[in-house]
Amino acid sequence: AQKVTQAQTEISVVEKEDVTLDCVYETRDTTYYLFWYKQPPSGELVFLIRRNSFDEQNEISGRYSWNFQKSTSSFNFTITASQVVDSAVYFCALSGTQGGSEKLVFGKGTKLTVNP
Amino acid sequence: EAGVAQSPRYKIIEKRQSVAFWCNPISGHATLYWYQQILGQGPKLLIQFQNNGVVDDSQLPKDRFSAERLKGVDSTLKIQPAKLEDSAVYLCASSKRATGAGTEKLFFGSGTQLSVL
Repeated sequence: AQKVTQAQTEISVVEKEDVTLDCVYETRDTTYYLFWYKQPPSGELVFLIRRNSFDEQNEISGRYSWNFQKSTSSFNFTITASQVVDSAVYFCALSGTQGGSEKLVFGKGTKLTVNP
Repeated sequence: EAGVAQSPRYKIIEKRQSVAFWCNPISGHATLYWYQQILGQGPKLLIQFQNNGVVDDSQLPKDRFSAERLKGVDSTLKIQPAKLEDSAVYLCASSKRATGAGTEKLFFGSGTQLSVL
């Protein structure tokens, strides 16, 4: 079965610190997609990034960067120079084709609090 | 561009009552999803529609939950009768494509927070 593990339940940092959110996944699919979503206090999940299983290049977008390593089944997310507005719950998610339908499976999320 | 609209924002009911949630996806989006998010958990897919057909409802408790998307646009999710364990946030999401939808980004609404007393 497909599974996503986010071992860090809550993280608290001070503004301008760097922070890394861990994500480990399990799947038997050879083709799959990994996602990160942000859920601010308002409730709606906001898409951050999608990665397919054949693209292991790391990606940087402003203060955000993602490290995808198939060898360790990990897709970690780093925020550089964190800001108070980064406070949210962050979800890692996995989509594959097990069972014939493409289903997005979410981890339990990591609550990030950035203190001024 | 308007986002995914959901109503109501909050709902409090007693167990054994019925409740309905409404969702209007982004215009032109073919695929619509209903997710259940229990406090402290990630969202769990309840049902996925492509246009007005059901693609996946394997995790929908069909003895009490039902959903429809009659004209392939907006959708209603109903719970009848509600149980205490149904207390959760119900999120609606949509995506553009009608096929391969599990691989593309989803646009989420703000959800309906349901409390069953």
